[in-house]
Amino acid sequence: DIVMTQSPLSLPVTPGEPASISCRSSQSLLHSNGHNYLDWYVQKPGQSPQLLVYLASHRASRVPDRFSGSGSVTDFTLNISRVEAEDLGIYYCMQGLQSPDTFGQGTKLEIK
Amino acid sequence: EVQLVESGGGLVQPGRSLRLSCTTSGFNFGEYAMSWFRQAPGKGLEWVSFIRSTTFGGPMEYAASVKGRFSISRDDSNSIAYLQMNSLKTEDTAMYYCARGYCSSTSCYRYQDWGQGTLVTVSS
Repeated sequence: DIVMTQSPLSLPVTPGEPASISCRSSQSLLHSNGHNYLDWYVQKPGQSPQLLVYLASHRASRVPDRFSGSGSVTDFTLNISRVEAEDLGIYYCMQGLQSPDTFGQGTKLEIK
Repeated sequence: EVQLVESGGGLVQPGRSLRLSCTTSGFNFGEYAMSWFRQAPGKGLEWVSFIRSTTFGGPMEYAASVKGRFSISRDDSNSIAYLQMNSLKTEDTAMYYCARGYCSSTSCYRYQDWGQGTLVTVSS
């Protein structure tokens, strides 16, 4: 199975400041079609997960443009340009290249 | 509006069975893969199983921890996905979510809509 490793696991951020979460995979997520099969999800307190980014850099519908994904092969990053209070939650990366789909441990974003 | 609603969870004894349903609306169900995920209390997300769209075809896939005990299916005419869970163990205790997504030939991804979850508790 592909192992996903996120850092940091805890991220306290002041509103208005940027934030960045790293995700590394134990194997390449780059498909021969040129796409990296890496998704980002957020789970806000008491809610179901929500898709933020798919194929490493494609923002999902209705996701604010302050969220952006980047990276390729085994190293990926989720950036939030200016954190808002509503962004608190646990952020997960997930690889969808090879079954089983596997998630990172999660990064808890906390508002200072 | 896209909706996914899970049902069928509850308290069950070890070794018993349960069938979860994911009733959907607001999109062309037959065009999408459907997956089940779970989240044990205080833990992270775990993929459980997926079934590709009928059009795409291909085998269903299962996490190693449930293979041989769980079975996924879909009813395209009623837009419902199911998860049959047999020989339940205490470690299957979790919130179970269904989600719609896309698949390649090797796996599924881009789970853009999720249900609210149904809680399964396995305990004697």
